[in-house]
Amino acid sequence: DAGITQSPRHKVTETGTPVTLRCHQTENHRYMYWYRQDPGHGLRLIHYSYGVKDTDKGEVSDGYSVSRSKTEDFLLTLESATSSQTSVYFCAITPDGIEVGEQYFGPGTRLTVT
Amino acid sequence: QKEVEQDPGPLSVPEGAIVSLNCTYSNSAFQYFMWYRQYSRKGPELLMYTYSSGNKEDGRFTAQVDKSSKYISLFIRDSQPSDSATYLCAMSEGGSYIPTFGRGTSLIVHP
Repeated sequence: DAGITQSPRHKVTETGTPVTLRCHQTENHRYMYWYRQDPGHGLRLIHYSYGVKDTDKGEVSDGYSVSRSKTEDFLLTLESATSSQTSVYFCAITPDGIEVGEQYFGPGTRLTVT
Repeated sequence: QKEVEQDPGPLSVPEGAIVSLNCTYSNSAFQYFMWYRQYSRKGPELLMYTYSSGNKEDGRFTAQVDKSSKYISLFIRDSQPSDSATYLCAMSEGGSYIPTFGRGTSLIVHP
């Protein structure tokens, strides 16, 4: 158990509304990631962070922003949700001091945009 | 063409069978190779991890990397219905914290 929680676990929202998903870790590791998972596409990286206020874009960052004001929390915001952002969102961490590439995932947030 | 190719399946086998799951890749700079297991409606969990070429065994699971062929495999011996899940391969370059994932193979082990 990597001590990762995500909230909310399920959300239904309307097109055009802002949505914020939260990822919380208990171990204060540097690297945190947000992915979305869709049938036929697998896991796609949205944004990642390598420290407080240090973030970078991933493969599918358009329409998403992130913030990391505390080591333990990584927030993903959909400024104006669209139906194409209906997906399952996973947060992940890479523990400090272990081999690069290893990731540990949270339980996921299932988001539906109507 | 994606950097990492993985047959989505589903792969259906009887209980007790030996399962072979595979990924091919095009980036010769990949050095770290991982397999994740994902049960339905759960997050992926790291199953096996290999650096560079060779084999690694953990119980019923064996991970194999052939860098010359750009091909990795995960073998499951004596498969059980509880092994039914989606298996994702992932790989990363040396010094990179960003892995590239395959799309996953759905495995069904029927009693």
